[in-house]
Amino acid sequence: DAGVTQSPTHLIKTRGQQVTLRCSPKSGHDTVSWYQQALGQGPQFIFQYYEEEERQRGNFPDRFSGHQFPNYSSELNVNALLLGDSALYLCASSLSVEGYTFGSGTRLTVV
Amino acid sequence: RKEVEQDPGPFNVPEGATVAFNCTYSNSASQSFFWYRQDCRKEPKLLMSVYSSGNEDGRFTAQLNRASQYISLLIRDSKLSDSATYLCVVRDNYGQNFVFGPGTRLSVLP
Repeated sequence: DAGVTQSPTHLIKTRGQQVTLRCSPKSGHDTVSWYQQALGQGPQFIFQYYEEEERQRGNFPDRFSGHQFPNYSSELNVNALLLGDSALYLCASSLSVEGYTFGSGTRLTVV
Repeated sequence: RKEVEQDPGPFNVPEGATVAFNCTYSNSASQSFFWYRQDCRKEPKLLMSVYSSGNEDGRFTAQLNRASQYISLLIRDSKLSDSATYLCVVRDNYGQNFVFGPGTRLSVLP
């Protein structure tokens, strides 16, 4: 049973570019949440998708957008990248009130 | 005030020591509580859920005090392999979003 898979694992982008990160949830999970984790800090909630809709959103600008597909997989898009967007981006999947299962993350470096 | 706050750390303890981590949360309507463990450059992994009655899993004991909005994690007989960052996590009152604390780093020394 595959857990949460994220791609790519590492990415280097130039300031101003756009990036798309991908996530496949654990089998049977229908909810996908995205988090940003800067070095030395706890994960910060970006948004959560359920039934292909953004159900909840954290304090992130509109440059951060997402999508969930009918197979529950999800994408995170970030436009107009800033140096401060450099972080580990974590995808977590869940089902109802269970705890999250995290993917291994995508490490984004903006130069 | 941050939604979830933790001891700033780091905690450096010798093998075999007992160490306790504290966490407070601001949303009194929070419903579920967890401790996650995160190794360096890895994803967080669920360590244990925290119940009002307290719960124990081997060397690990978690406690919840809803009146004080306080959560604790006790690690007994610490091992070198316990070295990691411990994240306190609170599920909001809508039962959907998980809010993470900043984490407390533990180093168990030989």
